[in-house]
Amino acid sequence: GNSVTQMEGPVTLSEEAFLTINCTYTATGYPSLFWYVQYPGEGLQLLLKATKADDKGSNKGFEATYRKETTSFHLEKGSVQVSDSAVYFCALSRGSNTGKLIFGQGTTLQVKP
Amino acid sequence: DAGVTQSPTHLIKTRGQQVTLRCSPKSGHDTVSWYQQALGQGPQFIFQYYEEEERQRGNFPDRFSGHQFPNYSSELNVNALLLGDSALYLCASSLGLAGGAHEQYFGPGTRLTVT
Repeated sequence: GNSVTQMEGPVTLSEEAFLTINCTYTATGYPSLFWYVQYPGEGLQLLLKATKADDKGSNKGFEATYRKETTSFHLEKGSVQVSDSAVYFCALSRGSNTGKLIFGQGTTLQVKP
Repeated sequence: DAGVTQSPTHLIKTRGQQVTLRCSPKSGHDTVSWYQQALGQGPQFIFQYYEEEERQRGNFPDRFSGHQFPNYSSELNVNALLLGDSALYLCASSLGLAGGAHEQYFGPGTRLTVT
């Protein structure tokens, strides 16, 4: 079946450090891939997306590249800020007519000043 | 521009009771999806409503049911509550079915505690 696996957290970094959160997926065909962020007490917000192989999604300094050969969609940011502290979810959807997102278990990021 | 709203914010119920959660989609959206997020886990898809019909369903028992109204708002009903139903219930809205997953907007959720 379709699934998403994320690196376990929590991830603790100092401000301005480089961030990588690993995400790998299992799916048939060509899923669309997403990163969502959940700040404390809030709902999920779409951070970035990629809909085909080799696409790079980017937003607010975060980037992720859709790697079909390694079935990965790792999230990166060159210099994290305290305000980036949140839970990050990798997710996939299959097909063009679906509202069903399949999420990973989430990775908590804590950035210290 | 109002985003997705959910009510109530928090709810405490007893095992065996029934609960109804409500969701109003983002302005202009016509499709609503519901997710269950257990503590420390990623959200799990429950079902999706479009044109007042359930269009897709995840791996949840029939105790979970829903409804969509002509104004696109939606309800999630859970009967015969179990302790394991304690979770954050998220509503997400989007426009149409085609490519709907690409632009889903989530509400803040309803925290359900079953004692």
